[in-house]
Amino acid sequence: NAGVMQNPRHLVRRRGQEARLRCSPMKGHSHVYWYRQLPEEGLKFMVYLQKENIIDESGMPKERFSAEFPKEGPSILRIQQVVRGDSAAYFCASSEIEREEQYFGPGTRLTVT
Amino acid sequence: LAKTTQPISMDSYEGQEVNITCSHNNIATNDYITWYQQFPSQGPRFIIQGYKTKVTNEVASLFIPADRKSSTLSLPRVSLSDTAVYYCLVVPTDSWGKLQFGAGTQVVVTP
Repeated sequence: NAGVMQNPRHLVRRRGQEARLRCSPMKGHSHVYWYRQLPEEGLKFMVYLQKENIIDESGMPKERFSAEFPKEGPSILRIQQVVRGDSAAYFCASSEIEREEQYFGPGTRLTVT
Repeated sequence: LAKTTQPISMDSYEGQEVNITCSHNNIATNDYITWYQQFPSQGPRFIIQGYKTKVTNEVASLFIPADRKSSTLSLPRVSLSDTAVYYCLVVPTDSWGKLQFGAGTQVVVTP
């Protein structure tokens, strides 16, 4: 059973461009979570999604950031008009229905130049 | 959400037992205590979770006193590969989705 997969693993964008981060949850998992980790800091919750629904987006910046988890395909975290402060590691996690243990992917390291 | 406090770093030698204590004075009745491990350039990995007394699995033990205001993660006979950041989290049962990570404890194991 493959784990949580994220791609790309590394992404470089210039200021003002868009970044798209993909996350494929573990097989059988219908809950997806996105976290951001700035250098030398702990992970910060961004958003919690189920298929076609956003359950909790309290950690998402109000502008430029959006997330989706369509019926088919991976979950996407989209950052529009990236700025240098968006440089961070973005981790996706997934869980089974009503299970608290979250399985994390390897992360996408976004660098904004 | 209850705030957690844990040491910034701990050093140990191979073969020793490492105990990391986490304070969570404001823990609520329906909160669980969960520990994750993170290696450099990887996502966190679940280690253990408990509500009270003692929980043990193949990786670690978790000790929780009766007042639940603190907890101790115990790693028996550490090896070099146990060098990682260890996070203590308090997870409400009505908010499973939103894990709150602090700064964690950097454990360094040397030969």
